[in-house]
Amino acid sequence: DTEVTQTPKHLVMGMTNKKSLKCEQHMGHRAMYWYKQKAKKPPELMFVYSYEKLSINESVPSRFSPECPNSSLLNLHLHALQPEDSALYLCASSQGGRGPQETQYFGPGTRLLVL
Amino acid sequence: ELKVEQNPLFLSMQEGKNYTIYCNYSTTSDRLYWYRQDPGKSLESLFVLLSNGAVKQEGRLMASLDTKARLSTLHITAAVHDLSATYFCAVYGEYGNKLVFGAGTILRVKS
Repeated sequence: DTEVTQTPKHLVMGMTNKKSLKCEQHMGHRAMYWYKQKAKKPPELMFVYSYEKLSINESVPSRFSPECPNSSLLNLHLHALQPEDSALYLCASSQGGRGPQETQYFGPGTRLLVL
Repeated sequence: ELKVEQNPLFLSMQEGKNYTIYCNYSTTSDRLYWYRQDPGKSLESLFVLLSNGAVKQEGRLMASLDTKARLSTLHITAAVHDLSATYFCAVYGEYGNKLVFGAGTILRVKS
């Protein structure tokens, strides 16, 4: 099973709302990732969790707050977003996480619209 | 800073024709990834190329890696409409977990 699931599939929120994106994998992977992808652009890395610890934060604004409750789950908490944050948010996972370079498996994404 | 460059960025092909997408990267790496993305969908892993000279084939797609030239190619043979998608190559940066993507090649196969 090489499946990464994400909920919700679509999300519309106002700039004052608080919402959360969820990601789950049951492949025993120990690294999990959040990416942001704008239309016609490649994915941009936001955060990496390795063995449930935040290992990379790509200078993401504090209105995005990641959380890794356990090795299978990854959340992205959203608060006071701006319209320019509208994008496809992709979660990915890979086997190791401590430096090894491995295939990342992507979830279906959450399409976020900020009004 | 690692840079990954793809060309062409847009490719319009006739069905049945052959073409190659190129991916250059700026730092040493012993592996390279190719992903496919359909419109509005997520990324699907196509190939992992693990060493210099590696060649992998799946259907009408064949990928190769030349680590000395820091170049990978994705060759499309006898294109069919179902291959229409965006293709990304990606390489890990200096610090393990950061995968850096090329800009993507939008492929449109016309009947």
